[in-house]
Amino acid sequence: EDKVVQSPLSLVVHEGDTVTLNCSYEVTNFRSLLWYKQEKKAPTFLFMLTSSGIEKKSGRLSSILDKKELFSILNITATQTGDSAIYLCAVERPAGGTSYGKLTFGQGTILTVHP
Amino acid sequence: NAGVTQTPKFRILKIGQSMTLQCTQDMNHNYMYWYRQDPGMGLKLIYYSVGAGITDKGEVPNGYNVSRSTTEDFPLRLELAAPSQTSVYFCASSRSDYGYTFGSGTRLTVV
Repeated sequence: EDKVVQSPLSLVVHEGDTVTLNCSYEVTNFRSLLWYKQEKKAPTFLFMLTSSGIEKKSGRLSSILDKKELFSILNITATQTGDSAIYLCAVERPAGGTSYGKLTFGQGTILTVHP
Repeated sequence: NAGVTQTPKFRILKIGQSMTLQCTQDMNHNYMYWYRQDPGMGLKLIYYSVGAGITDKGEVPNGYNVSRSTTEDFPLRLELAAPSQTSVYFCASSRSDYGYTFGSGTRLTVV
């Protein structure tokens, strides 16, 4: 059974701090790892990672994948109160056979940023 | 371009009642999915579809049914609502090679 584990489950920081969120996985077939940010409603897409060692960056957020050690990290620098959200990690199986791009999600990390 | 549209946004059902959660996408995505999210948990896949006329079970399909008569629509049916189905339901769609787009969710309470 595919498994995605995120840590920590919750994190409280102050504005300006840097945070690192972790995601480890065990899957029978791997296609990509995705990070989402969920505020009050639906998750919004942050990054899709398919190759080891290549950092993806968007503003203050960055993420990297290690396919050998089966984990990914999401970094947020100079945090702001607007970064408060649940961050979800998901692993996607490849299309083909009986598995068509299905995602397995971790539990999420609840990030709270205080002013 | 509306993306993925879910209705209703909120619903309270009594035990044993039935309802259909609607999901429509206008991006011509082949793949569509229904997830549920319980408090403190990640999303769990209920059913998915790889195209019109094709559906398959996910991790937690019991108590639900789906159909996919068109590319755009992927309704989720609850036949006999149970308290264990109290959750937030998300519909999502994707092309085969892009990230997912989620609907805004339906919060369902079964009392």
